[in-house]
Amino acid sequence: DADVTQTPRNRITKTGKRIMLECSQTKGHDRMYWYRQDPGLGLRLIYYSFDVKDINKGEISDGYSVSRQAQAKFSLSLESAIPNQTALYFCATSDLGRPQETQYFGPGTRLLVL
Amino acid sequence: QKEVEQDPGPLSVPEGAIVSLNCTYSNSAFQYFMWYRQYSRKGPELLMYTYSSGNKEDGRFTAQVDKSSKYISLFIRDSQPSDSATYLCAMSDDTNAGKSTFGDGTTLTVKP
Repeated sequence: DADVTQTPRNRITKTGKRIMLECSQTKGHDRMYWYRQDPGLGLRLIYYSFDVKDINKGEISDGYSVSRQAQAKFSLSLESAIPNQTALYFCATSDLGRPQETQYFGPGTRLLVL
Repeated sequence: QKEVEQDPGPLSVPEGAIVSLNCTYSNSAFQYFMWYRQYSRKGPELLMYTYSSGNKEDGRFTAQVDKSSKYISLFIRDSQPSDSATYLCAMSDDTNAGKSTFGDGTTLTVKP
């Protein structure tokens, strides 16, 4: 089984709808991240969490919110989806206490907002 | 200006060629330098990492860091079609509070 899983893998939604993307990990890592990836723009950090009680905004948090329900679960919500939120979304984890910060990525969620 | 700039590509080479992928950065606090490989429709996976300046070799892959020039490179020798992917550089500082900063990626195609 994959260490970092994301659901759903693909999602089509309409403008104005609220949707949630979920991430679960079995690696036992404290740190979790949400990124979006757009062609030519690389990975952009939306939110990150260094433990269950810690939530931090990334560079593009507007229009998004997150919930860290447990060490292993980190959900991303789009409050009112808009077409320019169409992108590939990745969840990632990393291990607190290691100076060399290797991130482990999930398989991604492909989101289309009509 | 971004903290990490990566040669945009795309890059297309014949099988067997030597490939050079490059990133520059502006934050002198960066100490850890990573290269991730991302196959189409997959999440990125760590390929190599290097601490501070110097070279690190792993099979056909060599990571090179020049901190004086704030420049890192990934070399792929005897490139194979299976190396076709997007390569992302990433960097972090020397504290546990740090997190990685990623380049935008370079897409490589190795043609048989």
